[in-house]
Amino acid sequence: NAGVTQTPKFRVLKTGQSMTLLCAQDMNHEYMYWYRQDPGMGLRLIHYSVGEGTTAKGEVPDGYNVSRLKKQNFLLGLESAAPSQTSVYFCASRDPRGFPEAFFGQGTRLTVV
Amino acid sequence: EDQVTQSPEALRLQEGESSSLNCSYTVSGLRGLFWYRQDPGKGPEFLFTLYSAGEEKEKERLKATLTKKESFLHITAPKPEDSATYLCAVQGSSNTGKLIFGQGTTLQVKP
Repeated sequence: NAGVTQTPKFRVLKTGQSMTLLCAQDMNHEYMYWYRQDPGMGLRLIHYSVGEGTTAKGEVPDGYNVSRLKKQNFLLGLESAAPSQTSVYFCASRDPRGFPEAFFGQGTRLTVV
Repeated sequence: EDQVTQSPEALRLQEGESSSLNCSYTVSGLRGLFWYRQDPGKGPEFLFTLYSAGEEKEKERLKATLTKKESFLHITAPKPEDSATYLCAVQGSSNTGKLIFGQGTTLQVKP
């Protein structure tokens, strides 16, 4: 039982480059989330999805785009990376119909130089 | 707008020295308050869910309580292995599915 898997685990980007972070869950959860975590800032919600084909903005959506084409996958895109996007990114999923808690991936450490 | 504030930001305790972490929240129609533990380099792990004022949950040395404005995570006789960052999150009824976290409290327990 893999749970929530994030790919890649580490990445270094140059300013202006683009990339996509992949989150995959095998628990058939409806809700999925992307957070970023910076020192002293806790987890800040970037975007989230309440079901296949849906997305919504969180607290800090600027500079990011997301897609949820399949229920098990939630993609986070950076079209033109900036140093301010250096952070650790976490994906989470949950199913409010069952246990309400969110399950997290192990994180992606992204550095933009 | 949903908001979560945790205090203190950092807490150092001696082994066996009990204390409490605070999570103050502002939310429209609380549907759930969650406590998580996060170890360095890892994703958060679920500890407790609380739904209504007066509710309490316990797990080993941890006890979570809830009022209408805040939640406390009480740590009784902590051990060094309790050292971690503790995160609080809320889901309100005004934003379906939205889960908002506080900035966390980093706990260090010295032997």
